[in-house]
Amino acid sequence: DTAVSQTPKYLVTQMGNDKSIKCEQNLGHDTMYWYKQDSKKFLKIMFSYNNKELIINETVPNRFSPKSPDKAHLNLHINSLELGDSAVYFCASSQVFEGGPEYNEQFFGPGTRLTVL
Amino acid sequence: SQQGEEDPQALSIQEGENATMNCSYKTSINNLQWYRQNSGRGLVHLILIRSNEREKHSGRLRVTLDTSKKSSSLLITASRAADTASYFCAAAEGNDYKLSFGAGTTVTVRA
Repeated sequence: DTAVSQTPKYLVTQMGNDKSIKCEQNLGHDTMYWYKQDSKKFLKIMFSYNNKELIINETVPNRFSPKSPDKAHLNLHINSLELGDSAVYFCASSQVFEGGPEYNEQFFGPGTRLTVL
Repeated sequence: SQQGEEDPQALSIQEGENATMNCSYKTSINNLQWYRQNSGRGLVHLILIRSNEREKHSGRLRVTLDTSKKSSSLLITASRAADTASYFCAAAEGNDYKLSFGAGTTVTVRA
């Protein structure tokens, strides 16, 4: 029944490692997003894919690479992890093209808390 | 850049009281949305108000939008302990699919 799921929920790793976070949505939505929430709760968009095509790519270090194998999945791979990457990463999805941007209600996953030591 | 900014940052009220929080944004918007985040959880969509709407209701929630002042408010009436959460406004800019979130208002409802 989970609409947007993320794995893992917690990720603790050493600086310099490479890690991936997976996201899946079963809502049939055409658009998926990755957000980063820092310790002060600021939530910032990182990437967005519509039907496997990248449509939003904010100023994010190129160590972060999203990958969308199909429109139900959007994974986030992070190379050479740094201390400043520690945050909670949220995946979200929405059905944009059916109604257009004015109906862009987003459904969020439970988040992945990444801690870089 | 941060589009929405909430005020106040934190709010503590007694159960049964109303809670009001405000959001300001910088550029023209297509719509403005409010989300709730319980501690350690993802965000949950509460309500969306389009740029040509001025007020919207959903259950105990009332949202207003003043595009001339670039501001919105969220009112939660007859608050309950379960309303304890962080509330975020998110501005949808123009025809972009991007939402720009504010820093949130943390609401604590005391029983």
